[in-house]
Amino acid sequence: DAGITQSPRHKVTETGTPVTLRCHQTENHRYMYWYRQDPGHGLRLIHYSYGVKDTDKGEVSDGYSVSRSKTEDFLLTLESATSSQTSVYFCAISEGRNSNQPQHFGDGTRLSIL
Amino acid sequence: QKEVEQNSGPLSVPEGAIASLNCTYSDRGSQSFFWYRQYSGKSPELIMFIYSNGDKEDGRFTAQLNKASQYVSLLIRDSQPSDSATYLCAALLYKYIFGTGTRLKVLA
Repeated sequence: DAGITQSPRHKVTETGTPVTLRCHQTENHRYMYWYRQDPGHGLRLIHYSYGVKDTDKGEVSDGYSVSRSKTEDFLLTLESATSSQTSVYFCAISEGRNSNQPQHFGDGTRLSIL
Repeated sequence: QKEVEQNSGPLSVPEGAIASLNCTYSDRGSQSFFWYRQYSGKSPELIMFIYSNGDKEDGRFTAQLNKASQYVSLLIRDSQPSDSATYLCAALLYKYIFGTGTRLKVLA
């Protein structure tokens, strides 16, 4: 158990509303990641963090922002949700202090934008 | 061109047989490779990782890496119905690149 908790687990909202997903970890991992998973595309990296206030973009970052004000929390925000952002979102951490270590995933958030 | 390629399947094998899952990658600089198992509606779970050419065994699982041919494989011996899941391959260079997964069905 990598000690990762995602909240909420399920959410349904309307187009144009802001949405924030939370990832909480208990083991002081340096690297944290947000992915989305869609049929036919697999897991795609949205944003990642390598420390408090240190974040960078992944391959599908448009329409998303992140914040990490504490080691244990990594927030993903959809400023104005669109139907194309309906997906399953996974948070992950890298073991240890390096990004080349195996990643472990949270249980996911199923987000539906109507 | 997709950077990590997997056959989507389904790959069907009888119970007790060896399941062979394959993955190819395009970036020769990739250094580390990971196999995840994902049950329907659940999150990916790390099964194995491999960094060096050759075989790495862990219980019923063997990961094989051939950097010259740019492929990684996962063998599951004595396949069980509980092994039925989607298996994701990932390659790491500066970031993880995931394949879309191969669905495995083990028939009882």
